[in-house]
Amino acid sequence: SQKIEQNSEALNIQEGKTATLTCNYTNYSPAYLQWYRQDPGRGPVFLLLIRENEKEKRKERLKVTFDTTLKQSLFHITASQPADSATYLCAQTGYGGATNKLIFGTGTLLAVQP
Amino acid sequence: DSGVTQTPKHLITATGQRVTLRCSPRSGDLSVYWYQQSLDQGLQFLIHYYNGEERAKGNILERFSAQQFPDLHSELNLSSLELGDSALYFCASSVTGLPNEKLFFGSGTQLSVL
Repeated sequence: SQKIEQNSEALNIQEGKTATLTCNYTNYSPAYLQWYRQDPGRGPVFLLLIRENEKEKRKERLKVTFDTTLKQSLFHITASQPADSATYLCAQTGYGGATNKLIFGTGTLLAVQP
Repeated sequence: DSGVTQTPKHLITATGQRVTLRCSPRSGDLSVYWYQQSLDQGLQFLIHYYNGEERAKGNILERFSAQQFPDLHSELNLSSLELGDSALYFCASSVTGLPNEKLFFGSGTQLSVL
């Protein structure tokens, strides 16, 4: 079955550095990958969407890449700030005909130290 | 505020009981999704409705059922509750449910089964 894997270990970085989070998937290549931010006790909030035929997408300090050969998406936050500390979730849809399911990875906790 | 309303925010009940969680999607959104989030499982897709019709099912137990009403609000019914059903239940909505759409999440219902 389709799986999405994110690094379960927390990522600790210093303020001002670039944070890079990884999302790997198995089997089918999804048509779309989405990234969400989740704060404790709150619902996820959409950040970026990238299509299968796009290599890169940017929004302000955020950048997402999608490599179908490696079956991987990377999520970058440049000039990170303590306010960026949260759990970041990767989600995929449109794989193997499953167009009506958005499946999430377990998320990576990012902690930005001042 | 995402515009998605979930009630109640907290629910405490006993094993064997039945509860109903309610979700009102954003104005104009026709699709509703339900997710379960527990500490060890991450965000698990349960079910997706579009304009009153079921579109996709995930790992939803037979003890759980859902529906979307003509006014587009949705309810998730959980019966014969077990301790393991304790989790945060999220509802999300999108305009049409197409795979290239972002989801807007509610703030969740925290269910505690004692």
